[in-house]
Amino acid sequence: ETGVTQTPRHLVMGMTNKKSLKCEQHLGHNAMYWYKQSAKKPLELMFVYSLEERVENNSVPSRFSPECPNSSHLFLHLHTLQPEDSALYLCASSPSRGSPLHFGNGTRLTVT
Amino acid sequence: AQSVTQLGSHVSVSEGALVLLRCNYSSSVPPYLFWYVQYPNQGLQLLLKYTSAATLVKGINGFEAEFKKSETSFHLTKPSAHMSDAAEYFCALDSNYQLIWGAGTKLIIKP
Repeated sequence: ETGVTQTPRHLVMGMTNKKSLKCEQHLGHNAMYWYKQSAKKPLELMFVYSLEERVENNSVPSRFSPECPNSSHLFLHLHTLQPEDSALYLCASSPSRGSPLHFGNGTRLTVT
Repeated sequence: AQSVTQLGSHVSVSEGALVLLRCNYSSSVPPYLFWYVQYPNQGLQLLLKYTSAATLVKGINGFEAEFKKSETSFHLTKPSAHMSDAAEYFCALDSNYQLIWGAGTKLIIKP
């Protein structure tokens, strides 16, 4: 039990599908994050939620839509993705922004 | 601009040998620096962090890192490598509550 749980672990979807990634943290943290991890590239911060405030990376395409219904849950809604969106999507949480991150094991996404 | 550079995308050492993973940073303010490790098929896990309290920082699993301001470096070391250390290691810099990440170094342990 990592404290941060991501489902599903693997997802294959077509470019016209709609799917959602789920993240749940059991650590009582106030900040939650979505990261994209692609081979041979630094981690890319996609979204941050902190005490219900969203900080968004402006370079994230609108086909990615985050949702944070409460401090324990974070979703990433996906629609009309492109093959280049195939990557490992990591969720993380921290007690507050600027604190060390606790990561989930990720969702390996493949867009066909 | 803040940046993090990890020298070497792959480092290979023999079991029992010294591990040295290099990280250089650029920052206009005193930095907070981190090392994270990612084992296969897992997320990242914090190894250690530097927050200006001491220049030599000890982390989990026998790893440590030394902050050298004059060299703008924060290299990660371990005296004796174990097979279980095979993983990818990431150096990161805190910049205004956002982490700037290095590209990662994959550590390979030869038996």
